[in-house]
Amino acid sequence: DIQMTQSPSSLSASVGGRVTITCRASQSISRYLNWYQQKPGKAPKLLIYAASSLQSGVPSRFSGRGSGTDFTLTISSLQPEDFATYYCQQSYINSAFGQGTKVEIK
Amino acid sequence: QVQLVQSGAEVKESGASVKVSCKASGYTFTNYHIHWVRQAPGQGLEWMGIINTRGGDTSHAQKFQGRVIMTRDTSTNTVYMEVRSLRSEDTAVYYCARETNYFDSKVVDYWGQGTLVTVSS
Repeated sequence: DIQMTQSPSSLSASVGGRVTITCRASQSISRYLNWYQQKPGKAPKLLIYAASSLQSGVPSRFSGRGSGTDFTLTISSLQPEDFATYYCQQSYINSAFGQGTKVEIK
Repeated sequence: QVQLVQSGAEVKESGASVKVSCKASGYTFTNYHIHWVRQAPGQGLEWMGIINTRGGDTSHAQKFQGRVIMTRDTSTNTVYMEVRSLRSEDTAVYYCARETNYFDSKVVDYWGQGTLVTVSS
């Protein structure tokens, strides 16, 4: 199985701040990497697919980069509704999720 | 509209089995694979496996091989996931989720509401 490792596991940031989350795959997954946002008690929501493509309706402050084994999700100007947990997911061979990054208010 | 409706919460004893259902509507059932993902209380998402709803073939995460059985019934547009030999660490919300293709990339676009399975020892 391909393992996905996210860092950090949690972070605190201020409204308007910039946040970057990293996701590393245990082997190359090309650009088969998606990012999801999950709020408490809700199912995850797709933000970014194919490493850098923004899902329709997702604000442009979200962006993704990377290929191979190393990927990042950046939120350029954090808004109150962005405080949530973020997961990366590989879809190269079957699937796997990172362990999540909880973004909290500073 | 696309809907995935899961069966209700279950409480099981350690060592028992549980079978969760996921009924799909609003789209052509056999055109989309279904994933199963679980989330233990306060923990992250854990991918369990995927079923091809057309052919019925499945693929599992290695840790669930031999203990998780996924099946589908194309006459009722329903997918089932059975977990055998339950232990306390299987206590979690179990989600079914539809996979779709976005420009040659596979993503999960719709999720069921989740089914809480509680395992008591």
